Order: sequence, then structure tokens, then C-alpha cells
Amino acid sequence: AQSVTQLGSHVSVSEGALVLLRCNYSSSVPPYLFWYVQYPNQGLQLLLKYTSAATLVKGINGFEAEFKKSETSFHLTKPSAHMSDAAEYFCAVTRGGGADGLTFGKGTHLIIQP
Amino acid sequence: ETGVTQSPTHLIKTRGQQVTLRCSSQSGHNTVSWYQQALGQGPQFIFQYYREEENGRGNFPPRFSGLQFPNYSSELNVNALELDDSALYLCASSLYGGGHNEQFFGPGTRLTVL
Repeated sequence: AQSVTQLGSHVSVSEGALVLLRCNYSSSVPPYLFWYVQYPNQGLQLLLKYTSAATLVKGINGFEAEFKKSETSFHLTKPSAHMSDAAEYFCAVTRGGGADGLTFGKGTHLIIQP
Repeated sequence: ETGVTQSPTHLIKTRGQQVTLRCSSQSGHNTVSWYQQALGQGPQFIFQYYREEENGRGNFPPRFSGLQFPNYSSELNVNALELDDSALYLCASSLYGGGHNEQFFGPGTRLTVL
């Protein structure tokens, strides 16, 4: 079985400040990990993914995440928040074959203060 | 290149009725997955279709069923609708061959059951 825990249902940061969204996973086999962003009334857009290559993964819009096996974490960061980053962020895990689908966390709502 | 499209965008049904939701895959993709996203929650995996057969299934009852057509488009059917079926239903297409393959999401169908 696999699961994802996202700490903090809401995170608020000032524009220009560091963004840190936390994700911890549980998986019985080496996982594939993803971060998706969802804007209001839209589907999900992939930000980045970890597929057992480099542990530091760079994605779109200046986001990056680091896979830490010892901590079973895959936290998402961005050095400087922009107003357009305000959205819902989901961490997801799956395993080898992919037929199990993605298991998502409950999401973190990112609020950007001007 | 056309992305994933879903129809209808919104739907209102009453308890006990049946509903069919439709999804067109992104060009070149041969696998379709369906997810249910309740309000304020992360998406939950319903099932996946490949080569017109169900390839994997999440924890959903048999009244949730699907089809995949030769052109890789797909339908999600839900019988005997319940109030708790009210949710955003997301379709995602991908290439078959492993969990590392990115799933591309459509904008979703918002189903309301009264």
C-alpha cells in the first residue's frame, strides 16, 4: 500500500518569500513521486516528478523538490513566491507498473500575501 | 497537439439515476485513468484502461464502470447515483509502460447529485 501526507492544508507566504510545501510518502517499493498544481475550476498540471534519477528535481515555474529516502519526504520549494503561484498543490505517489494509479495527498492551499 | 478534453463540464442528476462522462485522450496516448475529487480533497483513483480493458482499479464499487474505445477515448459510467458521488471527475491520459509516465489531466466534469 502507498500513501501521501501533506502537512498543512493552508500555507501563507509573502510575495518574494520562500515557498515550502511538505510531502511525506509511504511506499513498500521504490516510488515515483509527483507534484501537481490545480488552479480554480481547472484540472491538474504537472510541476515536476521524481523517477529514481537525480534526487534534486527541477520543475516548471521555478519550483524544485528533493527526494530524501531516509526521511521519506519530497518537499516542494520555490525561492521567491509570486502572486500567480496562489493555487492548490498536490503531492502524489505511484509505483512501478503504474496500473495502481496515482495516490494523492489531500492538498495544500498556497496563499500569497502582497 | 490537442490536450485531454472532457464532457460535459457540469452535470446535475438525482439520486438513483445513471450518468455517463466522456473523455478524449491527448494525441498519441493509449492509456486513460479516471479520478474522483471530492470537495476539499485530493483526487482518488477509480480505474485505468489500456487496450480497451480495465488495467487497474482503486477502491470503488462495481457501479462505477468504464469503457475505452479503439481511438483511446473513454467513458465513465456510474449507476444508482448516491449523494456522495457529487464530485469533480478527472480523466487523465498517458503512455502505457510504467508509473514514471506523466499523466495529463483534463479540466474535469463537475457532477452534482441531488
